[in-house]
Amino acid sequence: ETGVTQSPTHLIKTRGQQVTLRCSSQSGHNTVSWYQQALGQGPQFIFQYYREEENGRGNFPPRFSGLQFPNYSSELNVNALELDDSALYLCASSLDFGGTDTQYFGPGTRLTVL
Amino acid sequence: GNSVTQMEGPVTLSEEAFLTINCTYTATGYPSLFWYVQYPGEGLQLLLKATKADDKGSNKGFEATYRKETTSFHLEKGSVQVSDSAVYFCALSKDFGNEKLTFGTGTRLTIIP
Repeated sequence: ETGVTQSPTHLIKTRGQQVTLRCSSQSGHNTVSWYQQALGQGPQFIFQYYREEENGRGNFPPRFSGLQFPNYSSELNVNALELDDSALYLCASSLDFGGTDTQYFGPGTRLTVL
Repeated sequence: GNSVTQMEGPVTLSEEAFLTINCTYTATGYPSLFWYVQYPGEGLQLLLKATKADDKGSNKGFEATYRKETTSFHLEKGSVQVSDSAVYFCALSKDFGNEKLTFGTGTRLTIIP
């Protein structure tokens, strides 16, 4: 069984640029959530997708957007990057929204904004 | 809204010492509670969970009991090892485990041989 994978591992961008981060869910999982983890902090929920539809959003501006594809892989897009967007971005997959399954996290993408 | 408060770190212990990391929460209803661990350079791994009051989650010698009366979910281990050195996060989800997780700020644990 393949776990959750994310790409790229590390990324360096400059302020104002746009970035796309990718996540491949664990096999069979149809729900994906994205989290932002600033240095020394706990992860903060960005949004969740269930069967290609956004299913909840945290306190993040609209320049954070996402997609979930028919194969349940996912993208996180961030426009107009700001210095404070520098963080570890984690995706987590699970099976069936509303069930009792837990979320399985990928290793993360470390984004640095200069 | 929901929130999780964790014991401030860092925590440094000698090998074979007893570990307690405190976690309290604020939530409406009956949240599910979790402990996640993050080893250096890695993502989060689920350590244990409890989905209803008085449940005890356990894994790898770690335990935590869901106490609704004190809104707590403290993590304990009787004898820590150097390999337990990591950052530990307490988290909750409102109803089910695959809903939005609200995390504490994390507690860095270092075990000295």
